[in-house]
Formats: sequence, structure tokens, C-alpha cells
Amino acid sequence: GDSVTQMEGPVTLSEEAFLTINCTYTATGYPSLFWYVQYPGEGLQLLLKATKADDKGSNKGFEATYRKETTSFHLEKGSVQVSDSAVYFCALLTQGGSEKLVFGKGTKLTVNP
Amino acid sequence: ETGVTQTPRHLVMGMTNKKSLKCEQHLGHNAMYWYKQSAKKPLELMFVYSLEERVENNSVPSRFSPECPNSSHLFLHLHTLQPEDSALYLCASSQRQGLGYTFGSGTRLTVV
Repeated sequence: GDSVTQMEGPVTLSEEAFLTINCTYTATGYPSLFWYVQYPGEGLQLLLKATKADDKGSNKGFEATYRKETTSFHLEKGSVQVSDSAVYFCALLTQGGSEKLVFGKGTKLTVNP
Repeated sequence: ETGVTQTPRHLVMGMTNKKSLKCEQHLGHNAMYWYKQSAKKPLELMFVYSLEERVENNSVPSRFSPECPNSSHLFLHLHTLQPEDSALYLCASSQRQGLGYTFGSGTRLTVV
């Protein structure tokens, strides 16, 4: 079945460091891809998405590019802030029939001042 | 406030208790979902309702019983739970099944 694999955390960075969180997927067809963020004590919020190959999703300084050839959707940010500390989830939307979101395990990011 | 409201935020219950989780949305969405979030595991989709009909039940034990009385409300009735059922239960909704999920803040459930 469709699945998402993202890098194990936790990830700890200093403020203004470069961030990469790797995400690869296995799916039939060409699913839409998403990054969600979960701040402490809250539910998931959509961070960005891409619906077809070579699309780049971006929001709040975060970017991710849909790479069909490597089945990847890595999340990047050039300069992280303390307020970016959260858990980040990569997800895909399955296709055909009963569409649903399938999530990775999540990567916890801590940014220190 | 995301537009999806879950109550209660925290719940502690014994294994013999019966309780219910509530989810409410006024976004005009037609699909609603229950997810279970356990430590170090991917989010698990439990139930999907589309236009108030259950369209998916992912082999969830019968001690979890969903109810969707209308397109704005979703309940999860709990009875005779086990300690391993302790988790964060997230509700989500979307305009139609598969699109633009909006999540609630979740109910943190502890079974003692």
C-alpha cells in the first residue's frame, strides 16, 4: 500500500541554521504531497503542498519540491527560528476510490536560541 | 482556533468507563475523520465519514464506536478501553473526501 517514510528525529538546530527534513514516498500513480506541522499542544496545520511533479510548495520560508524521479518531497528552510520548533509530518493523498491522507511518523524539530 | 473544535481537550478514564469524544465543525465540510496519534507511530486513520455515511473503518476494535448525526458533528464513543488506547485523538474535516483537511487540537486520552 501507499506509505511515507521521513527521517527519524529528533532534530536539534541553532537559530538561523539550515533545515532539511527528508521525506520519500511509495504510491501508485502520482499522489498529492503535503507537509503538516504540529505545534506543542495543538492539532496538525497544513504547512505546504504540491499536487504534481516538479511543483514547489512554499509557506513561511519553508519549501518542498515534488520529485517524481526520486519519489521525494524534502522539506527545507534556509534560516530556522525558535518559533519553528514543532513536529513536522510528511503526507500523501492516496488516489482512486477512497482517497485519504497517509502520514509519516513525524520529525520533531527543536531550535535553540 | 482552526474551525474544528474538539472536546474535551483532556480525558482520563478507567477501563470500565464509558465516555464520548466530540468534534464539531462549521466550515461547511462534507467529510470528517478520526485519527489516533500514538507516540513514535504514524497517525492512524480510524474512521471516515462522507456525507454522514461511514465510508471507511480501518479494522478499529469495537470498543471504539463512531457516530455522525449530521455533517457538522462527529462523536467517538469509548467503552472498556485498554491502557494501550491512551493517545491523542484527532478529528479532521474536509470539503469532500480527500481534500484540504482541517484538524482540531485533539483530545488527549489517558486510560488507567
